[in-house]
Amino acid sequence: GNSVTQMEGPVTLSEEAFLTINCTYTATGYPSLFWYVQYPGEGLQLLLKATKADDKGSNKGFEATYRKETTSFHLEKGSVQVSDSAVYFCALGPSLGDYKLSFGAGTTVTVRA
Amino acid sequence: SAVISQKPSRDICQRGTSLTIQCQVDSQVTMMFWYRQQPGQSLTLIATANQGSEATYESGFVIDKFPISRPNLTFSTLTVSNMSPEDSSIYLCSVSRVAGFDEQFFGPGTRLTVL
Repeated sequence: GNSVTQMEGPVTLSEEAFLTINCTYTATGYPSLFWYVQYPGEGLQLLLKATKADDKGSNKGFEATYRKETTSFHLEKGSVQVSDSAVYFCALGPSLGDYKLSFGAGTTVTVRA
Repeated sequence: SAVISQKPSRDICQRGTSLTIQCQVDSQVTMMFWYRQQPGQSLTLIATANQGSEATYESGFVIDKFPISRPNLTFSTLTVSNMSPEDSSIYLCSVSRVAGFDEQFFGPGTRLTVL
């Protein structure tokens, strides 16, 4: 079945550092891929998504590229801010005939001033 | 996107009691989902609620413990019955407009503590 393996944290960075969170997946077909972010005390927000191979999703300075060859969807940001401190979840969209999201374990990121 | 609200936002309950969580969406949606997020953990899908049919529960979750209602296309409730401290979690509602081919949008969550 579908599954997501996500780099586990916690990750602690200084402001303006480069952030990468690795995410790989196993899936039947070619489902969409998502990154969700959960800020402290809040629900999940969709950060970005990619719907097919080689698509690049981007938002708020974050980027991730749907790599079919390596079954990966790594999240990157070139210069993090304190406000980026949150938990980040990689998620795999439904395969044909299904409707469920498959979530990774989540990565806690703390950015220090 | 969709604007989703949940009530209550948090609650502290006694063991053996039940709590009903409401999820309201600002537009009609096809599918609504209920998740549990235990402290420091990822999300676990409890069930899928479609209007006009019985909820579909995931392995490990049963209707007697987590009854769900979906009376229309903008509203759903999840009840956590006969609670124990192990039920202390964040409960999240999410929605999807198109079955199987769309992202899910999440509500703010309900933080439940059971004493």
